[in-house]
Amino acid sequence: DGGITQSPKYLFRKEGQNVTLSCEQNLNHDAMYWYRQDPGQGLRLIYYSQIVNDFQKGDIAEGYSVSREKKESFPLTVTSAQKNPTAFYLCASRRTGSEQPQHFGDGTRLSIL
Amino acid sequence: EDKVVQSPLSLVVHEGDTVTLNCSYEVTNFRSLLWYKQEKKAPTFLFMLTSSGIEKKSGRLSSILDKKELFSILNITATQTGDSAVYLCAPTFYTDKLIFGTGTRLQVFP
Repeated sequence: DGGITQSPKYLFRKEGQNVTLSCEQNLNHDAMYWYRQDPGQGLRLIYYSQIVNDFQKGDIAEGYSVSREKKESFPLTVTSAQKNPTAFYLCASRRTGSEQPQHFGDGTRLSIL
Repeated sequence: EDKVVQSPLSLVVHEGDTVTLNCSYEVTNFRSLLWYKQEKKAPTFLFMLTSSGIEKKSGRLSSILDKKELFSILNITATQTGDSAVYLCAPTFYTDKLIFGTGTRLQVFP
């Protein structure tokens, strides 16, 4: 079945550590996105990528980094510079150049130990 | 700066009530507006609106866009407990960027 897979579902980080969240899609979508959601809040855009080897910052990119070496994969690294990383992280993808909505993964919940 | 505001932030109703959720936006390069329902994990797609004044309908849910006044509404009639969720609106851009509003948390009690 086609879809978006995020892993792991739950992740714990010690202060000062970098962690990487995985996002893989087999929908053949060009564009991929990372959002952060805090309790009781909407989704805030961290980074997005319209094409392999290219990506743009969203509204809250500080303390995060991404790469897009393959069309199917868009990993997000939460660096130690992100002072408040505890949140729910959602990855999405979309076919560009068309009137199509985004498809979402099931998310990764990141907590600080 | 692009901005999306949803209201109310939270709504508590009884089964059978009708609710109206609002989404206003101020963005550049606007392309369309999406509505999503989020229960526990991934948001699920409800509607895409591209033209003003044309209502989209799916069962008890309907939505309309006003591109002149820069807002959209989502109506749910005869609410059920299964409608309890966070409802998110999201303007899309010709640059493929997509941002979300703050969300409206709807709780429907029997």
